[in-house]
Amino acid sequence: QSVLTQPPSVSAAPGQKVTISCSGSSSNIGNNYVSWYQQLPGTAPKLLMYENNKRPSGIPDRFSGSKSGTSATLGITGLQTGDEAGYYCGAWDSSLSAWVFGGGTKLTVL
Amino acid sequence: EVQLVQSGAEVKKPGESLKISCKGSGYSFTTYWIGWVRQMPGKGLEWMGIIYPRDSDTRYSPSFQGQVTISADKSISTAYLQWSSLKASDTAMYYCARHSYGGNSEVDYWGQGTLVTVSS
Repeated sequence: QSVLTQPPSVSAAPGQKVTISCSGSSSNIGNNYVSWYQQLPGTAPKLLMYENNKRPSGIPDRFSGSKSGTSATLGITGLQTGDEAGYYCGAWDSSLSAWVFGGGTKLTVL
Repeated sequence: EVQLVQSGAEVKKPGESLKISCKGSGYSFTTYWIGWVRQMPGKGLEWMGIIYPRDSDTRYSPSFQGQVTISADKSISTAYLQWSSLKASDTAMYYCARHSYGGNSEVDYWGQGTLVTVSS
């Protein structure tokens, strides 16, 4: 089991909105920044969101991030077929002194 | 432009040793933590550990401590991941990953991945 918990899959129609949750504990999400990664099929992961809600250059504002307590959420609006990918949350775990990832969520755009 | 370029795919037998590499360019290699992430077939991302090339300070995930060795040669801006005795369960894609400022910060750049296949 992953230290951070994500739903295995989510789906929505093109143009709609979807949210992906990431649940942790006080040793990771509760006291450290959360980041999100997008992994398109057959490619390396890419940074999508950092420090809970900041977008790297080039990431459209259709993507948003938030954090509350020991949980974080990635939101995607105006879904496109090109958004079909695996999405992973990540955070530093102060108890493990290690970076931890969620198990990943596969997004299907129907 | 920051780039992390990894060595090519490997096919090995159980018990063999292996060292894969990741060459950084476009940034000051010695002042960013760089590490490795495993992705087993059809599975999620697992952080293995990191190294600070300036002084070779190395940290491992408890899950990978003693199983692999992470090293770096700052003279050629290259990080390495090494196994002394491979197992079939080491079959996976391995990504090198640069952390943006501290070892506890997000990964801002990823290598293209090195596929390691261990089979008799």
